[in-house]
Amino acid sequence: NAGVTQTPKFRILKIGQSMTLQCTQDMNHNYMYWYRQDPGMGLKLIYYSVGAGITDKGEVPNGYNVSRSTTEDFPLRLELAAPSQTSVYFCASTPPTGMNTEAFFGQGTRLTVV
Amino acid sequence: AQSVTQLGSHVSVSEGALVLLRCNYSSSVPPYLFWYVQYPNQGLQLLLKYTSAATLVKGINGFEAEFKKSETSFHLTKPSAHMSDAAEYFCAVSGNQGGKLIFGQGTELSVKP
Repeated sequence: NAGVTQTPKFRILKIGQSMTLQCTQDMNHNYMYWYRQDPGMGLKLIYYSVGAGITDKGEVPNGYNVSRSTTEDFPLRLELAAPSQTSVYFCASTPPTGMNTEAFFGQGTRLTVV
Repeated sequence: AQSVTQLGSHVSVSEGALVLLRCNYSSSVPPYLFWYVQYPNQGLQLLLKYTSAATLVKGINGFEAEFKKSETSFHLTKPSAHMSDAAEYFCAVSGNQGGKLIFGQGTELSVKP
């Protein structure tokens, strides 16, 4: 059982370039999330989705876009990369059974913008 | 609004010593609280969660946490530290919608031989 899979694991971007961080889960979870992790800041929610076709902004959505065309996939798009987007990005998923549900995390994508 | 504060960004203990990682929360509704662990270059893994069934919660790897409503705390403890416990630990509270998590700043635990 693969769980939550993120690709790529590492990426270096130049300022102004664009890229898509891929996330897929095989647990049939309705809810999916994108977080960014910066040193000393914990994890901040970028975007989330409660099901296919439904997405909403989290705490730090500026500079990012998402889509959710299937239950399994939740890609995160950076259109014009900026140094402030240098971070580690985590995708997570939960089943739709309430607020006490464990979140399952991918291994992360380490992005550097130069 | 909900928030989580972890006291101490870095904690260092000797092998065999007590581990105590502090977490205080703020919530206008009964909270669901979690502790996650992150080993180097890995994703986050659930250690334990509080869901109002019992105030003392036991988790994996010998960790436990006690929910104290009067102190708005959910501190993580382990009686005897092991070298393999070295990692970053995050306290989190579940948001008002679905499974959205609000994280504390994280505490890096070092274990000295």
